[in-house]
Amino acid sequence: QVQLQESGPGLVKPSGTLSLTCAVSGGSISSSNWWSWVRQPPGKGLEWIGEIYHSGSTNYNPSLKSRVTISVDKSKNQFSLKLSSVTAADTAVYYCAREGGGGPYYMDVWGKGTTVTVSS
Amino acid sequence: QSALTQPRSVSGSPGQSVTISCTGTSSDVGGYNYVSWYQQHPGKAPKLMIYDVSKRPSGVPDRFSGSKSGNTASLTISGLQAEDEADYYCCSYAGSYTLVVFGGGTKLTVL
Repeated sequence: QVQLQESGPGLVKPSGTLSLTCAVSGGSISSSNWWSWVRQPPGKGLEWIGEIYHSGSTNYNPSLKSRVTISVDKSKNQFSLKLSSVTAADTAVYYCAREGGGGPYYMDVWGKGTTVTVSS
Repeated sequence: QSALTQPRSVSGSPGQSVTISCTGTSSDVGGYNYVSWYQQHPGKAPKLMIYDVSKRPSGVPDRFSGSKSGNTASLTISGLQAEDEADYYCCSYAGSYTLVVFGGGTKLTVL
């Protein structure tokens, strides 16, 4: 079955850019699914960041839109997240997930998550 | 402040039933039949328990059920078991601008 694995630096400096990659295994990123990023600050709830389709179409959380870029690399069967101008408020566990239902209606497969700390 | 409102905590004894509410607006919960629920144990990734308001993914026990009335969705867990102790998050599609909103989460304690 489809599995997701996040990877990237665990520490990012303030004002820098957070970069993460989600590798998809056991299935194709070119399937009829959208793929998303969700984050969870320490001790807090979940926040949807955005989504991408294998065609490259994207949608973002309006509150993060000015700082977020999600891209896809079909040759590597992976998708990526870039979040610019980070502050301590961006410290969180970042999850990648597969969206079921052909749109942002539910997330049926999740990665294990990766912790990113923003600190100098 | 989360877009969807959930109680911070609920509790129940083994074998009992508990219901977790999730209140939104006509722009999210009330406007679409795209409410989902996730279970999250400490240090683990969320797990999909209910989607499209009341559908259960394969492998989720039928003790878990979902419903919706107006702008409020509910997750009911019957026959509580110790392993049900976790945080639960509701989520809703919220239209073509906002797209996805989550609730703040509810901690379920099995007494």
